[in-house]
Amino acid sequence: QQQVKQSPQSLIVQKGGISIINCAYENTAFDYFPWYQQFPGKGPALLIAIRPDVSEKKEGRFTISFNKSAKQFSLHIMDSQPGDSATYFCAATRYGQNFVFGPGTRLSVLP
Amino acid sequence: GAVVSQHPSWVICKSGTSVKIECRSLDFQATTMFWYRQFPKQSLMLMATSNEGSKATYEQGVEKDKFLINHASLTLSTLTVTSAHPEDSSFYICSARASGGRREQFFGPGTRLTVL
Repeated sequence: QQQVKQSPQSLIVQKGGISIINCAYENTAFDYFPWYQQFPGKGPALLIAIRPDVSEKKEGRFTISFNKSAKQFSLHIMDSQPGDSATYFCAATRYGQNFVFGPGTRLSVLP
Repeated sequence: GAVVSQHPSWVICKSGTSVKIECRSLDFQATTMFWYRQFPKQSLMLMATSNEGSKATYEQGVEKDKFLINHASLTLSTLTVTSAHPEDSSFYICSARASGGRREQFFGPGTRLTVL
């Protein structure tokens, strides 16, 4: 019940395309859902996050869509750029404790 | 804002020695700090959670006597890998959560530990 599933494992997108990464959770007590971006050899960086009382949040080219009834949330990267090539992790937490991370998605944006 | 630093960024040591890794929150007070371990091409594995002034809470399977965690102030936590062995070689990442009921967790840049 603490697991967060993430798909796809890897994703290849052309420059300018839309990258979509999906996550699903089981624990309905989770109250905060962040996405992290990690470049090789670096720590994860908080990209965008959402709370379950909101269905969508947009920050620049990054959008989170949240479906509470389906217990799913997704990250959309619009106008994907080669600089977006990284590993993306979704996560879930309750009260900021015991973050549960998805297994990650390796995104490659082709020039 | 919300910058977390780690030192050193990489370290190579001989088997049997101890290594200390520092994690600092530079522009906010971190009530809670977390220590993760990450193997190549894998997700982050939580090792322990530490609250300032309290003993760390270790995840199942993590040896607390081997991975000593100290959270002496609201801006500093340290992880000491005692009697390191080659299997302890990994990427260690700390993160910090601000006080005041905030949910956000900010990560440090990580420390690459190689044990020869």
